[in-house]
Amino acid sequence: GAVVSQHPSRVICKSGTSVKIECRSLDFQATTMFWYRQFPKQSLMLMATSNEGSKATYEQGVEKDKFLINHASLTLSTLTVTSAHPEDSSFYICSARKTEPRGTQYFGPGTRLLVL
Amino acid sequence: AQKVTQAQTEISVVEKEDVTLDCVYETRDTTYYLFWYKQPPSGELVFLIRRNSFDEQNEISGRYSWNFQKSTSSFNFTITASQVVDSAVYFCALSERKIGTASKLTFGTGTRLQVTL
Repeated sequence: GAVVSQHPSRVICKSGTSVKIECRSLDFQATTMFWYRQFPKQSLMLMATSNEGSKATYEQGVEKDKFLINHASLTLSTLTVTSAHPEDSSFYICSARKTEPRGTQYFGPGTRLLVL
Repeated sequence: AQKVTQAQTEISVVEKEDVTLDCVYETRDTTYYLFWYKQPPSGELVFLIRRNSFDEQNEISGRYSWNFQKSTSSFNFTITASQVVDSAVYFCALSERKIGTASKLTFGTGTRLQVTL
């Protein structure tokens, strides 16, 4: 199998607080994980590529100091939204890349963030 | 640059009808992967298929079938005898296949399929 979990599934927070989202590959090791953002009725937008043991690679326009990514082990990557604001409210989805079938990403169930 | 186009924004069919979701892609890479993912209302993306660019064999999995035409850069997805549970947003995606790269996915804008009784 290829199961990816995310926690929490839903979070509501006040403006200015920080929120941490965890992404775990439960039955395989993933040297590479990805973080996406999805607005309602839109496609997925890649935010960053998370590599185990090294710094994340951010896509153009994504603030690395606002969206902190840590990939401390082969099964866990975390995304911390720092000093969250209402415009950060979105659906955040992580994926983990499995070795075989090569290149295939398996997605977590997503985290709905609402910043008040 | 890579690009995936899903021209059909929304499709509505009656149960048991067949439906084809179109996907056209652009890439300069000679080797690449193509994917289809399903996103039901719950939000989780479910992997359906991966196709290697040098393998143009069509594939069938139960009621699902995929038609890969490299000559027209298309990778269409057909659901036969659709069911209400097929209602979801379907995304076509493309990734490079170079060794040492992160295999980033380029997604299409998705096609929302509504299957009614």
